[in-house]
Amino acid sequence: AIRMTQSPASFSASTGDRVTITCRASQGISSYLAWYQQRPGKAPKLLIYAASTLQSGVPSRFSGSGSGTDFTLTISCLQSEDFATYYCQQYYSYPRTFGQGTKVEIK
Amino acid sequence: QVQLQQWGAGLLKSSETLSLTCAVYGGSFSGYYWSWIRQPPGQGLEWIGEINHSGSTNYNPSLKSRVTISVETSKNQFSLKVSSVTAADTAVYYCARDYGDYSGNWYLDLWGRGTLVTVSS
Repeated sequence: AIRMTQSPASFSASTGDRVTITCRASQGISSYLAWYQQRPGKAPKLLIYAASTLQSGVPSRFSGSGSGTDFTLTISCLQSEDFATYYCQQYYSYPRTFGQGTKVEIK
Repeated sequence: QVQLQQWGAGLLKSSETLSLTCAVYGGSFSGYYWSWIRQPPGQGLEWIGEINHSGSTNYNPSLKSRVTISVETSKNQFSLKVSSVTAADTAVYYCARDYGDYSGNWYLDLWGRGTLVTVSS
């Protein structure tokens, strides 16, 4: 199975900050990567697919980049509703695998 | 708009079989894969497997020996069974739609609310 490793595991930030989360795949996955946001007690929500394509309805402050093994999720101007846990997921091969998550907390 | 509604027993004893069902309302059932994902308390997400409307399945090898995913197309429903459960199977279980596009992208664009399944010894 392809292993997905996110960094950092958690960090604190302030509203208005620009934040970046990194996801690394254990082997090349082209651009077959999605990002999800999960708020406490809620189901995950799709933010980005194909590494950089914004899902309909997702604010433009979210962006994704990368291909191969290294990917990033950037939030350009952190809002209060963005404090959540973020997961990357590869769909290059089965089984689908997720990163362990990155929790963004309020500083 | 398309909604996923899931249900099933929330409390099991060790060695019993977990059984959950997810119904799709307000949209097409064919043309997609339908997935199950789980999340142990305080932990990350684990993909369990998926099925399409014709019954074609893909499973996570880590669970494959105990998992069965089935579909009832006439009702727009799909189901998950996990046999011989232990405390390690305690988790929130989500159903989700796996949307595929022409570029080979498959992503989980719609999710159910989740069902907490607790396994006691």
